[in-house]
Amino acid sequence: QVRLVESGGGVVQSWRSLRLSCAASGFTFSNCAMHWVRQAPGKGLEWVAFISSEGSHKMYVDSVKGRFTISRDNSKNTVILDMDSPRIEDTAVYFCAKDGAAGGPTYFDNWGRGTLVTVSS
Amino acid sequence: SYEMSQPPSVSVSPGQTARITCSGDRLGDKNICWYQQKPGQSPVLVIYENIKRPSGIPERFSGSNSGNTATLTISGTQAMDEADYYCQAWDSYTAVVFGGGTKLTVL
Repeated sequence: QVRLVESGGGVVQSWRSLRLSCAASGFTFSNCAMHWVRQAPGKGLEWVAFISSEGSHKMYVDSVKGRFTISRDNSKNTVILDMDSPRIEDTAVYFCAKDGAAGGPTYFDNWGRGTLVTVSS
Repeated sequence: SYEMSQPPSVSVSPGQTARITCSGDRLGDKNICWYQQKPGQSPVLVIYENIKRPSGIPERFSGSNSGNTATLTISGTQAMDEADYYCQAWDSYTAVVFGGGTKLTVL
């Protein structure tokens, strides 16, 4: 049974940084690409970042390029999202999601429950 | 950047067929999937690669994609299908893009 558990959310000031983590289990983590997807309060889904299975290929939505960094540790079955200089508009629930194909990015066949990030000035 | 549009809301009577559309330039050339999200819950994949249904998803959910429009069809809609639905596309140029979402109301 696939399980994705996000942690690290909370209230963060815009001049600080925040690290989100996603602990994965129930599948061969090192074979799967992973993503972060966010949802602002009352809004729709927005894809944030992608990392390939071995970590060599990364992609970001334009609005976070240069500020957010996605990484992974296949020895610990963990994917990370480092948020530097977060903005008020980054306030959202951040979901960790598993890519459905060996390559990617494609679609998300499993999602975590999300962690809420609130950015204050 | 690539954009896809969905109607904000769709209403359907129980037992009837609901159709939720997703529009974008030459959308038929891309791979599309659909997610269902109920209030306070994480999204659930209901259709992937345009027409495929993950295990555990009822047969009443089906998908199509041609031209500039992809469609999620729910046949014999049930009250439990009331939710927000999002289309999503991916390719090597756009990476991942979501539609704005459609709120399905089962009256």
